[in-house]
Amino acid sequence: RKEVEQDPGPFNVPEGATVAFNCTYSNSASQSFFWYRQDCRKEPKLLMSVYSSGNEDGRFTAQLNRASQYISLLIRDSKLSDSATYLCVVGLDNYGQNFVFGPGTRLSVLP
Amino acid sequence: DAMVIQNPRYQVTQFGKPVTLSCSQTLNHNVMYWYQQKSSQAPKLLFHYYDKDFNNEADTPDNFQSRRPNTSFCFLDIRSPGLGDAAMYLCATSSTGTETGELFFGEGSRLTVL
Repeated sequence: RKEVEQDPGPFNVPEGATVAFNCTYSNSASQSFFWYRQDCRKEPKLLMSVYSSGNEDGRFTAQLNRASQYISLLIRDSKLSDSATYLCVVGLDNYGQNFVFGPGTRLSVLP
Repeated sequence: DAMVIQNPRYQVTQFGKPVTLSCSQTLNHNVMYWYQQKSSQAPKLLFHYYDKDFNNEADTPDNFQSRRPNTSFCFLDIRSPGLGDAAMYLCATSSTGTETGELFFGEGSRLTVL
């Protein structure tokens, strides 16, 4: 079993749609959780850190369920510019050293 | 202003000709990483430095070496590049002293091997 798994994708959605991505992790001792966005041939950029209480940033909402070892990302009113690959990243410790990447889920928002 | 800077952005080399990629950071982060990313794959960690301590991943080939002469700089040396080493090489930093500890990436160095 992979340490971090994501929806295989790709997701092709029309503009304005709501889309949800799921991520599961296997190490129950994981400490920190992130969603990164990566555009084609660019570096990953932090989209959101994910907290147990859930957090929202405009059209983006992230949730963490530690009991189920599950992280989600919800994008509302999707824009063409949201087209990218979304990487779920899990930090295995509180020391900021050990990060595990999911394989990524590709999103295409269509006009 | 860019906080993690990689050079060169694009590198073309011949099979077997050594290559050095550089990374510098203005964040004063104590941890620096080198990742290899191939098309449609997630970044794969090659190694990282925690301060001066070098941590190699078990499956990183010996062909890949790294140096960190000071906090700000880190180098990736590919001693004898093969066709399979063509990839994007990403440098990243993090700090063990921050609350969230996320990774900050440079723009990457794209390596082509002829």
